[in-house]
Amino acid sequence: NAGVTQTPKFQVLKTGQSMTLQCAQDMNHEYMSWYRQDPGMGLRLIHYSVGAGITDQGEVPNGYNVSRSTTEDFPLRLLSAAPSQTSVYFCATSFGGPQETQYFGPGTRLLVL
Amino acid sequence: GEDVEQSLFLSVREGDSSVINCTYTDSSSTYLYWYKQEPGAGLQLLTYIFSNMDMKQDQRLTVLLNKKDKHLSLRIADTQTGDSAIYFCAESTDKLIFGTGTRLQVFP
Repeated sequence: NAGVTQTPKFQVLKTGQSMTLQCAQDMNHEYMSWYRQDPGMGLRLIHYSVGAGITDQGEVPNGYNVSRSTTEDFPLRLLSAAPSQTSVYFCATSFGGPQETQYFGPGTRLLVL
Repeated sequence: GEDVEQSLFLSVREGDSSVINCTYTDSSSTYLYWYKQEPGAGLQLLTYIFSNMDMKQDQRLTVLLNKKDKHLSLRIADTQTGDSAIYFCAESTDKLIFGTGTRLQVFP
């Protein structure tokens, strides 16, 4: 039982490059979400999903896409990376929704040059 | 809109009590949470309080909720060096909104 896993742990991109941050969970959780963490700003919600096939926008969705084709996986895509997307990205999951205990992955540290 | 605010830093001596404060704006929040983040790691749930409660105690942790003022606090009794971390409060409605985080530093 791995819990919530995120890959890669660390990534450097050049402006304009694309990449996908992976998030996987083996807890059969319906609710999955992506946050970015920036100094002095806490965690901000990017996108979330209440189940396979359903996604919705959070506070800061611009520049990011998500999909949820399976219960287990919730990838976050950056289509054209910008320096403003330099951040630490966390995936979080819960069984039923935002009102339940969130289980966080270890994070992906992204640097965009 | 939703906004959760915390002070950025708190420094306490080992053995003293720590009090971390949080204010929120959404009165329809059902649960309010405290999460702890240790260096290089994700967040872990410490404790939570349901919005119809005033206080919750869990070992060294005491959560106080003042709904009128939309103020939440976390008191850590007998603070230890292992308590050094960033503490986030969060409110849940249809989404989970986190505060900016308070970095707690415990010195001997």
